[in-house]
Amino acid sequence: AQSVTQLGSHVSVSEGALVLLRCNYSSSVPPYLFWYVQYPNQGLQLLLKYTSAATLVKGINGFEAEFKKSETSFHLTKPSAHMSDAAEYFCAVSLIQTGANNLFFGTGTRLTVIP
Amino acid sequence: GAVVSQHPSRVICKSGTSVKIECRSLDFQATTMFWYRQFPKQSLMLMATSNEGSKATYEQGVEKDKFLINHASLTLSTLTVTSAHPEDSSFYICSARDITKNTEAFFGQGTRLTVV
Repeated sequence: AQSVTQLGSHVSVSEGALVLLRCNYSSSVPPYLFWYVQYPNQGLQLLLKYTSAATLVKGINGFEAEFKKSETSFHLTKPSAHMSDAAEYFCAVSLIQTGANNLFFGTGTRLTVIP
Repeated sequence: GAVVSQHPSRVICKSGTSVKIECRSLDFQATTMFWYRQFPKQSLMLMATSNEGSKATYEQGVEKDKFLINHASLTLSTLTVTSAHPEDSSFYICSARDITKNTEAFFGQGTRLTVV
């Protein structure tokens, strides 16, 4: 079975500060991992995904995530937070490279950026 | 990227009435569509998967007679919440993919349903 755990339902950072959103996964086989962002009253937008190529994955809007098998983690980072980064972020795991219907989502982390 | 349009974005209905939510793929053929539900402060939970021209496959615990899904064309799927009750109030999101091209799933904007 696959699952993800997102530590911290709420994270607040100052504008310009480092953003770190934590995600740990559980999977019986090598997983594919995804980060999605959800702005208020909008659907999910794919930020980035790990598909067993490079362990450091770069996504849109300056975000990146590193797959660490030894730690079963896939934390999302951004060096400098921007006000527009305020949103809900979901980590997801799948056995399928494209995700599709096999996505198991974490409970989400709401990021607040303080001016 | 591909665009999935979901309508309406918000709907308020009276208890006992039915509500239809549409999910359209605008620039690709959505051979497969997925419907998710998101309760406050919780994650997305897959409700059902539908393939064009076939009956939807529902996840365990989802009432197929209450949540009617139709996927009659390659660009449109609908979710009808029948005899809605306040506990059905939630955020419903669809996603779609073209299985023949092995694409990822693209998400709609979501529909916030409030049953009063």
